Amino acid sequence: EIVMTQSPATLSVSPGERATLSCRASQSISSNLAWYQQKIGQAPRLLIYGASTRASGIPARFSGNGSGTDFTLTINSLQSEDFAVYHCHHLYVFGQGTKVEIK
Amino acid sequence: EEQLVESGGGLVQPGGSLRLSCVASGFPFRSYTMNWVRQAPGKGLEWVSSITSSSAYLYYGDSVKGRFTISRDNAKTSLFLQMDSLRVEDTAVYYCARDNVGRIRGVTHNWFDPWGQGTLVTVSS
Repeated sequence: EIVMTQSPATLSVSPGERATLSCRASQSISSNLAWYQQKIGQAPRLLIYGASTRASGIPARFSGNGSGTDFTLTINSLQSEDFAVYHCHHLYVFGQGTKVEIK
Repeated sequence: EEQLVESGGGLVQPGGSLRLSCVASGFPFRSYTMNWVRQAPGKGLEWVSSITSSSAYLYYGDSVKGRFTISRDNAKTSLFLQMDSLRVEDTAVYYCARDNVGRIRGVTHNWFDPWGQGTLVTVSS
Protein backbone atom coordinates (compact mmCIF):
# COMPACT_ATOMS: atom_id res chain seq x y z
CA GLU A 1 0.00 0.00 0.00
CA ILE A 2 1.29 3.41 -1.00
CA VAL A 3 1.78 5.98 1.75
CA MET A 4 1.86 9.71 1.01
CA THR A 5 3.90 11.84 3.43
CA GLN A 6 3.68 15.62 3.44
CA SER A 7 6.17 18.00 5.01
CA PRO A 8 6.30 20.17 6.90
CA ALA A 9 3.13 19.78 8.93
CA THR A 10 2.98 23.55 9.37
CA LEU A 11 4.67 26.23 7.31
CA SER A 12 4.85 29.83 8.56
CA VAL A 13 5.21 32.32 5.73
CA SER A 14 4.88 36.09 5.43
CA PRO A 15 2.50 37.53 2.81
CA GLY A 16 4.33 38.11 -0.44
CA GLU A 17 6.89 35.37 0.20
CA ARG A 18 7.16 31.97 -1.47
CA ALA A 19 5.93 28.73 0.11
CA THR A 20 7.29 25.34 -0.90
CA LEU A 21 5.37 22.25 0.23
CA SER A 22 6.60 18.69 -0.14
CA CYS A 23 4.81 15.41 -0.75
CA ARG A 24 6.63 12.07 -0.89
CA ALA A 25 5.23 8.74 -2.05
CA SER A 26 6.45 5.48 -0.52
CA GLN A 27 6.91 4.07 -4.02
CA SER A 28 6.94 5.53 -7.52
CA ILE A 29 3.61 6.94 -8.69
CA SER A 30 4.88 8.44 -11.95
CA SER A 31 3.23 11.88 -12.16
CA ASN A 32 -0.22 10.77 -10.95
CA LEU A 33 -0.55 13.29 -8.13
CA ALA A 34 -3.06 16.00 -7.31
CA TRP A 35 -2.98 18.91 -4.87
CA TYR A 36 -5.96 20.46 -3.11
CA GLN A 37 -6.43 23.58 -1.05
CA GLN A 38 -8.81 23.53 1.91
CA LYS A 39 -9.90 26.50 3.97
CA ILE A 40 -11.57 26.20 7.36
CA GLY A 41 -15.15 25.01 7.07
CA GLN A 42 -14.88 24.45 3.31
CA ALA A 43 -14.51 21.47 1.02
CA PRO A 44 -11.19 20.77 -0.66
CA ARG A 45 -10.60 22.62 -3.92
CA LEU A 46 -8.56 21.13 -6.76
CA LEU A 47 -5.39 23.09 -7.54
CA ILE A 48 -3.11 20.79 -9.51
CA TYR A 49 -3.45 17.40 -11.23
CA GLY A 50 -0.95 15.31 -13.14
CA ALA A 51 1.65 16.72 -10.72
CA SER A 52 1.97 19.99 -12.64
CA THR A 53 -1.23 20.88 -14.53
CA ARG A 54 -3.17 23.74 -12.96
CA ALA A 55 -6.90 23.23 -12.68
CA SER A 56 -9.27 25.66 -14.31
CA GLY A 57 -9.29 29.09 -12.66
CA ILE A 58 -6.22 28.48 -10.49
CA PRO A 59 -3.82 31.45 -10.44
CA ALA A 60 -0.40 31.10 -12.02
CA ARG A 61 1.33 31.67 -8.66
CA PHE A 62 0.48 28.02 -7.87
CA SER A 63 2.80 25.52 -9.51
CA GLY A 64 3.43 21.81 -9.08
CA ASN A 65 6.48 19.78 -9.88
CA GLY A 66 7.91 16.31 -9.50
CA SER A 67 7.56 12.71 -10.60
CA GLY A 68 8.30 9.30 -9.20
CA THR A 69 8.29 9.71 -5.42
CA ASP A 70 9.04 13.39 -4.74
CA PHE A 71 6.66 16.26 -5.46
CA THR A 72 6.46 19.93 -4.58
CA LEU A 73 3.75 22.55 -4.58
CA THR A 74 5.09 26.09 -4.82
CA ILE A 75 3.03 29.16 -4.08
CA ASN A 76 4.74 32.34 -5.23
CA SER A 77 4.01 35.69 -3.64
CA LEU A 78 1.55 34.39 -1.04
CA GLN A 79 -1.73 36.25 -0.87
CA SER A 80 -3.95 36.44 2.21
CA GLU A 81 -6.42 34.01 0.63
CA ASP A 82 -3.69 31.37 0.23
CA PHE A 83 -3.36 30.65 3.94
CA ALA A 84 -5.01 27.26 4.21
CA VAL A 85 -4.31 23.53 4.44
CA TYR A 86 -2.91 21.78 1.37
CA HIS A 87 -3.38 18.08 0.66
CA CYS A 88 -1.62 15.85 -1.84
CA HIS A 89 -3.48 12.86 -3.30
CA HIS A 90 -2.75 9.73 -5.29
CA LEU A 91 -5.58 7.34 -6.25
CA TYR A 92 -7.13 6.32 -2.91
CA VAL A 93 -4.49 7.86 -0.66
CA PHE A 94 -4.10 11.35 0.76
CA GLY A 95 -1.20 12.96 2.55
CA GLN A 96 -1.84 14.22 6.06
CA GLY A 97 -1.83 17.84 4.94
CA THR A 98 0.37 20.91 5.33
CA LYS A 99 -1.01 24.00 7.02
CA VAL A 100 0.29 27.29 5.59
CA GLU A 101 -0.06 29.96 8.24
CA ILE A 102 0.77 33.64 8.48
CA LYS A 103 4.19 34.33 9.97
CA GLU B 1 -22.21 24.65 -13.08
CA GLU B 2 -21.03 21.28 -11.87
CA GLN B 3 -22.34 20.70 -8.37
CA LEU B 4 -22.56 18.03 -5.68
CA VAL B 5 -24.82 18.43 -2.65
CA GLU B 6 -24.67 16.01 0.28
CA SER B 7 -27.30 15.40 2.91
CA GLY B 8 -28.23 12.89 5.58
CA GLY B 9 -25.65 13.58 8.25
CA GLY B 10 -26.51 13.87 11.91
CA LEU B 11 -26.03 12.50 15.41
CA VAL B 12 -26.25 8.74 15.85
CA GLN B 13 -25.39 6.38 18.69
CA PRO B 14 -22.58 3.84 18.41
CA GLY B 15 -23.87 0.76 16.62
CA GLY B 16 -26.49 2.77 14.76
CA SER B 17 -27.01 3.41 11.08
CA LEU B 18 -27.19 6.41 8.79
CA ARG B 19 -27.65 6.88 5.04
CA LEU B 20 -25.91 9.71 3.25
CA SER B 21 -27.01 11.08 -0.11
CA CYS B 22 -25.24 13.19 -2.72
CA VAL B 23 -27.14 14.76 -5.60
CA ALA B 24 -25.17 15.75 -8.69
CA SER B 25 -25.99 18.36 -11.31
CA GLY B 26 -24.33 20.09 -14.23
CA PHE B 27 -22.46 17.08 -15.65
CA PRO B 28 -23.26 13.57 -17.06
CA PHE B 29 -23.38 11.77 -13.72
CA ARG B 30 -23.81 8.32 -15.27
CA SER B 31 -20.42 8.61 -16.98
CA TYR B 32 -18.29 9.02 -13.88
CA THR B 33 -16.92 6.97 -11.01
CA MET B 34 -17.88 8.63 -7.73
CA ASN B 35 -16.26 8.66 -4.31
CA TRP B 36 -16.90 9.29 -0.64
CA VAL B 37 -14.09 10.94 1.32
CA ARG B 38 -14.23 11.82 5.02
CA GLN B 39 -12.39 14.11 7.37
CA ALA B 40 -12.41 13.57 11.12
CA PRO B 41 -12.26 16.72 13.27
CA GLY B 42 -8.82 18.30 12.99
CA LYS B 43 -7.51 15.47 10.80
CA GLY B 44 -6.62 14.91 7.17
CA LEU B 45 -8.68 13.51 4.34
CA GLU B 46 -9.46 9.79 4.21
CA TRP B 47 -10.85 8.06 1.13
CA VAL B 48 -13.85 5.90 2.14
CA SER B 49 -15.40 4.28 -0.92
CA SER B 50 -15.75 4.39 -4.71
CA ILE B 51 -18.33 3.17 -7.20
CA THR B 52 -17.84 2.92 -10.94
CA SER B 53 -20.24 4.51 -13.40
CA SER B 54 -22.48 1.47 -13.90
CA SER B 55 -22.08 0.20 -10.32
CA ALA B 56 -20.12 -2.76 -11.64
CA TYR B 57 -17.27 -2.25 -9.21
CA LEU B 58 -17.36 -1.11 -5.60
CA TYR B 59 -14.31 -0.31 -3.50
CA TYR B 60 -13.94 0.33 0.22
CA GLY B 61 -11.28 1.48 2.62
CA ASP B 62 -10.19 -1.06 5.22
CA SER B 63 -11.67 0.97 8.08
CA VAL B 64 -15.23 0.73 6.69
CA LYS B 65 -15.22 -2.56 4.78
CA GLY B 66 -18.12 -4.77 5.81
CA ARG B 67 -19.97 -1.90 7.52
CA PHE B 68 -20.55 0.69 4.78
CA THR B 69 -22.24 0.18 1.41
CA ILE B 70 -21.93 2.54 -1.52
CA SER B 71 -24.60 2.72 -4.23
CA ARG B 72 -25.91 5.07 -6.89
CA ASP B 73 -29.02 5.83 -8.91
CA ASN B 74 -27.98 7.22 -12.28
CA ALA B 75 -31.57 8.11 -13.23
CA LYS B 76 -31.74 10.36 -10.18
CA THR B 77 -28.08 11.49 -10.46
CA SER B 78 -27.62 10.42 -6.87
CA LEU B 79 -24.89 8.73 -4.85
CA PHE B 80 -25.48 7.05 -1.51
CA LEU B 81 -23.52 5.73 1.44
CA GLN B 82 -25.27 3.34 3.80
CA MET B 83 -23.35 3.34 7.09
CA ASP B 84 -24.09 0.54 9.55
CA SER B 85 -22.49 -0.51 12.84
CA LEU B 86 -21.22 3.02 13.28
CA ARG B 87 -18.33 3.66 15.65
CA VAL B 88 -17.17 6.76 17.48
CA GLU B 89 -14.18 6.88 15.13
CA ASP B 90 -16.52 7.28 12.13
CA THR B 91 -17.27 10.81 13.32
CA ALA B 92 -16.30 13.08 10.43
CA VAL B 93 -17.45 15.38 7.68
CA TYR B 94 -18.30 13.19 4.69
CA TYR B 95 -17.72 14.56 1.20
CA CYS B 96 -18.76 13.16 -2.14
CA ALA B 97 -16.37 13.82 -5.00
CA ARG B 98 -16.27 13.02 -8.69
CA ASP B 99 -13.41 10.92 -10.01
CA ASN B 100 -11.71 12.32 -13.09
CA VAL B 101 -9.34 10.38 -15.29
CA GLY B 102 -7.11 11.88 -17.92
CA ARG B 103 -4.09 10.96 -19.95
CA ILE B 104 -1.25 13.46 -19.89
CA ARG B 105 2.05 12.86 -21.68
CA GLY B 106 1.20 9.18 -22.01
CA VAL B 107 0.46 8.71 -18.29
CA THR B 108 -2.98 8.10 -16.77
CA HIS B 109 -3.90 10.51 -14.01
CA ASN B 110 -6.75 10.64 -11.51
CA TRP B 111 -8.09 13.53 -9.48
CA PHE B 112 -11.19 14.41 -7.48
CA ASP B 113 -13.23 17.38 -8.68
CA PRO B 114 -15.75 18.74 -7.91
CA TRP B 115 -16.43 18.11 -4.23
CA GLY B 116 -19.63 18.58 -2.32
CA GLN B 117 -19.84 20.88 0.68
CA GLY B 118 -19.84 17.95 3.09
CA THR B 119 -22.24 16.58 5.68
CA LEU B 120 -21.29 16.02 9.32
CA VAL B 121 -21.75 12.63 10.92
CA THR B 122 -21.36 12.47 14.69
CA VAL B 123 -21.31 9.11 16.42
CA SER B 124 -21.71 9.52 20.15
CA SER B 125 -23.72 8.20 23.06
